[in-house]
Amino acid sequence: NAGVTQTPKFQVLKTGQSMTLQCAQDMNHNSMYWYRQDPGMGLRLIYYSASEGTTDKGEVPNGYNVSRLNKREFSLRLESAAPSQTSVYFCASSDSNTDTQYFGPGTRLTVL
Amino acid sequence: EDQVTQSPEALRLQEGESSSLNCSYTVSGLRGLFWYRQDPGKGPEFLFTLYSAGEEKEKERLKATLTKKESFLHITAPKPEDSATYLCAVSDSWGKLQFGAGTQVVVTP
Repeated sequence: NAGVTQTPKFQVLKTGQSMTLQCAQDMNHNSMYWYRQDPGMGLRLIYYSASEGTTDKGEVPNGYNVSRLNKREFSLRLESAAPSQTSVYFCASSDSNTDTQYFGPGTRLTVL
Repeated sequence: EDQVTQSPEALRLQEGESSSLNCSYTVSGLRGLFWYRQDPGKGPEFLFTLYSAGEEKEKERLKATLTKKESFLHITAPKPEDSATYLCAVSDSWGKLQFGAGTQVVVTP
């Protein structure tokens, strides 16, 4: 039981490049989330998916797109990376009965 | 607007010196208050969920309590391995979490 896994762990991009962050969970959770974490600002919700086939914007969605590929997988895409997107990105999934979210290990992204 | 404020921002403790972290919140339709621990370079690790005022939960040297406006995380006789950033979050009526900025705790031997 791996919980929530994320790839890659680290990534460096140049401004304007695109990339996709991958997330998978093996806990049979319906809901999945993408957050970014910046110093002094806490975790901020980018997008979430309440169930397979649905996605909704969170607090800071601009510059990002998501895909809920199936119940297990939820990907985050940066179409044209900007230095302001330098951050640590976390994926999470939740038990709908308790709202408890379980987090992956994170992806540290630097955009030059 | 939902808001979560944690204090202090940072806390330095001697081993064995008990202390408390505060999480004050404003949210419409609170479904739960969550505490997480985050080690450097790692994802947040779930500690506790509290659902109603007066509720308390304990795990080893940690004890979380909840009132109608705030929650406290008490660390009793901390050890160096308790050094981490502690995050508080509240879930709104839609089940989404709003996080505070965290309290960084350093416990020295």
